[in-house]
Amino acid sequence: EADIYQTPRYLVIGTGKKITLECSQTMGHDKMYWYQQDPGMELHLIHYSYGVNSTEKGDLSSESTVSRIRTEHFPLTLESARPSHTSQYLCASSKAGDPSLVTDTQYFGPGTRLTVL
Amino acid sequence: KNQVEQSPQSLIILEGKNCTLQCNYTVSPFSNLRWYKQDTGRGPVSLTIMTFSENTKSNGRYTATLDADTKQSSLHITASQLSDSASYICVVSDRGSTLGRLYFGRGTQLTVWP
Repeated sequence: EADIYQTPRYLVIGTGKKITLECSQTMGHDKMYWYQQDPGMELHLIHYSYGVNSTEKGDLSSESTVSRIRTEHFPLTLESARPSHTSQYLCASSKAGDPSLVTDTQYFGPGTRLTVL
Repeated sequence: KNQVEQSPQSLIILEGKNCTLQCNYTVSPFSNLRWYKQDTGRGPVSLTIMTFSENTKSNGRYTATLDADTKQSSLHITASQLSDSASYICVVSDRGSTLGRLYFGRGTQLTVWP
C-alpha cells in the first residue's frame, strides 16, 4: 500500500467557489504529479513537480494551479470552479521522475472525485 | 490519437474463470510497459512491469506478456476472484531524450460475477 494521501475523497461544490485539493506523501519522493481522469477515459497529466519550488504544466491544459513548498505536500487549487472541472483528480509520486527507468514506479493516491454544480 | 489501445473495453466473467486482456501500442522508442489495477474510487496500483527484453512476467494469478516486435501485450488472469473486479490499465513509457513519459490506455473494466 502506497503512503500517499488525498483529501477530500469527494467534493460537491457550486460554480465560482475556490477549492484546494490536498495531496501528501510520506515516502520522501521528490517527484509528484496530478492527473485528471474522466470515466472510461485515460489519465491525463495536468501538473508535475520535480522538487520544492518546482512546478510544471502537463500535457492537458488545466485552469488549476499547484504549489510545492514542502517535499511531502503538493496541493492543487481551482480559483473559480466550473461544471467543466467535474472529474476525478489523482495525485501520484515517484522516486526518480523518469518512467523510462524500470525502478521508477508511480504510486497513486485514492483520488478526489470533484463535482461542480 | 491515443498511442495505447486496450481491448475489450469491458468484460464480464464468472468467478473461477480465466480471462485475457489486450493492449496494443504505437509508442516509440519503447522503454517499458506496466499494467495497473484500479479499483473503483481508488488510485491505480502497479501489477507488473516489462522491458523490451522480457516477454513474460507473473505476479500471483496475474501473468503479463509482451511482444515488442508486434507492439502487443496481454494480461492473463487465472482463476478469477470477485476482488479482481476493477479497471486494468496498460501504461507504456517511452525513452525520451532526457526523461521518459507515460502513455495511458483507457483501461478494460473487468467484472467478476459469483
